[in-house]
Amino acid sequence: GENVEQHPSTLSVQEGDSAVIKCTYSDSASNYFPWYKQELGKRPQLIIDIRSNVGEKKDQRIAVTLNKTAKHFSLHITETQPEDSAVYFCAASMNDYKLSFGAGTTVTVRA
Amino acid sequence: EPEVTQTPSHQVTQMGQEVILRCVPISNHLYFYWYRQILGQKVEFLVSFYNNEISEKSEIFDDQFSVERPDGSNFTLKIRSTKLEDSAMYFCASSGTMGETQYFGPGTRLLVL
Repeated sequence: GENVEQHPSTLSVQEGDSAVIKCTYSDSASNYFPWYKQELGKRPQLIIDIRSNVGEKKDQRIAVTLNKTAKHFSLHITETQPEDSAVYFCAASMNDYKLSFGAGTTVTVRA
Repeated sequence: EPEVTQTPSHQVTQMGQEVILRCVPISNHLYFYWYRQILGQKVEFLVSFYNNEISEKSEIFDDQFSVERPDGSNFTLKIRSTKLEDSAMYFCASSGTMGETQYFGPGTRLLVL
């Protein structure tokens, strides 16, 4: 089955700086890559996603890039704010039934 | 904005007991999912459900687990005889069609003693 690796496990950044989280996947058939943000005690919420026919997607301060050849994708958060502090999960899916998640990255934005 | 809801938010049960976790997916969604997250670990897929049958299930979803859509709104996960290792947060999710965003519920935290 699909195996998704996520790095780093924790990330501390100064407010205003950028944060980058990287994920790799194992199955070249995967074609859908969402990113979820989970605040403490709350549900995972989709923040951005990308499909394999696109190399990059941006939504305000958040962007995701995908390198199908290398089988990795990354989340970029620019101008970080304290409310960006949360756990971020990447995921991959090859048939859209099942999401395979990474282990998560705990992001702390220091004021 | 419509949301997936789950009940109960917390459940404590004795090992060997049956539990039923309930979910109300977003009303016009057709695909339903259960995931679980053991404390400190990644979110793991359990099962997907469409058109009143299981579409896919993981190796975690053994004979002790079952899912049901008893009416037009609820989607349930039953664990027949709970084990200590079933202690986890269980998330329900739904999507409108295959390939669309999966929206997650707030989760049910299950503790098996």
